[in-house]
Amino acid sequence: DIVMTQSPDSLAVSLGERATINCKSSHNILYSSNNKNSLAWYQQKPGQPPKLLIYWASTRESGVPDRFSGSGSGTDFTLTISSLQAEDVAVYFCQQYLAVPLTFGGGTKVEIK
Amino acid sequence: QVQLQQSGPGLLQPSQTLSLTCAVSGDSVSGNGAAWNWIRQSPSRGLEWLGRTYYRSKWWKSDYAGSVESRITIDADASKNQFSLRLNSVTPEDTAVYFCASGYALDFWGQGTVVTVSS
Repeated sequence: DIVMTQSPDSLAVSLGERATINCKSSHNILYSSNNKNSLAWYQQKPGQPPKLLIYWASTRESGVPDRFSGSGSGTDFTLTISSLQAEDVAVYFCQQYLAVPLTFGGGTKVEIK
Repeated sequence: QVQLQQSGPGLLQPSQTLSLTCAVSGDSVSGNGAAWNWIRQSPSRGLEWLGRTYYRSKWWKSDYAGSVESRITIDADASKNQFSLRLNSVTPEDTAVYFCASGYALDFWGQGTVVTVSS
């Protein structure tokens, strides 16, 4: 199985400041058919299902604010919130979808400092 | 816009079978390229993908997580445009919130079902 490791476990950032979340996969998750990395990022708020933010490591889902961006390749990936807003308080997860079983990181809780 | 609506019981006794259904609107479960997943979430195990079903080349196919492979069935009913999860011989360790979701990057999710296994 591909193991996804996120860091940090939690993060407190001032409003308007940058938040950076890291995700490392145990295997290269490059999909050879399109040369894109099979990595997604999700946001989850209490009592709700996860919401897809980013797929193919850097493509924003429709309707997702452009303060959210994804980067990285191979085994190391980053989700950046460029200017934290109050509504961004949530837990964020990465997930690989190159191979079954699909696997998720343990989550990063983002709070306001 | 795809919508997924989950249904099924939330309280089970050990050794019973968990059965959940996910009704799909806005897409076809037998559509080419589609995949239909079940995921669960608990404090101890985090987000855990359980398996998926999909229709390819006139056949239904399924993939399962090794941790539940001996107890799980995921199948679809194209006439009702829905897919289902069955998990046999549940134990308290199967207590979790269960979600259905579509895709590979999981773009649409059901609302979640709290499942408690307790005697």
